[in-house]
Amino acid sequence: SAVISQKPSRDICQRGTSLTIQCQVDSQVTMMFWYRQQPGQSLTLIATANQGSEATYESGFVIDKFPISRPNLTFSTLTVSNMSPEDSSIYLCSVEWGQGVLGISDTQYFGPGTRLTVL
Amino acid sequence: EDQVTQSPEALRLQEGESSSLNCSYTVSGLRGLFWYRQDPGKGPEFLFTLYSAGEEKEKERLKATLTKKESFLHITAPKPEDSATYLCAVQADNNNDMRFGAGTRLTVKP
Repeated sequence: SAVISQKPSRDICQRGTSLTIQCQVDSQVTMMFWYRQQPGQSLTLIATANQGSEATYESGFVIDKFPISRPNLTFSTLTVSNMSPEDSSIYLCSVEWGQGVLGISDTQYFGPGTRLTVL
Repeated sequence: EDQVTQSPEALRLQEGESSSLNCSYTVSGLRGLFWYRQDPGKGPEFLFTLYSAGEEKEKERLKATLTKKESFLHITAPKPEDSATYLCAVQADNNNDMRFGAGTRLTVKP
């Protein structure tokens, strides 16, 4: 399995500021994903980040609010811009991994998450 | 639209009391159904991938099964360390996105 690390692990930020979250993988991967998990809720996909192309955002998420970089096959960043208390969540990156049935990836492995609190 | 519904929302068991968690899904062509375990303050930990109806997978006290409409995660003789939130997710065969259910919060009391 892939080993994924995220920085920072947690942060407390002021309203109106921005925070950049880093995701590092110990192996080269094609697809990386960013999720949000609001308090007491399940995971919601923000965007898919492939190296060398623009990130693809899910409905309800826009690039101006959540710009993503994917400079190489082992690293990605997610920025949460102009933060408000509603952005308080755990942000998780994940990677697609494995060579399962019919050549389809086995699953996604997740990083430990970044717990963001916006005051 | 793809949907995943997990039940129950919360489950409290005594140590050794076996039970099952349910994951009902609707998806336009299933690529895979996934089970994860999530401990408080941590990222989801991968447990199983199931690809087709009738498939079963086991890991220690856990066994996952799959039909065309739902999946079950059976927990046999659970221990307190099995306490966690169990998440189910589906991936459709026309994209790489995973849609997650809301999870079942399992508590196993000694």
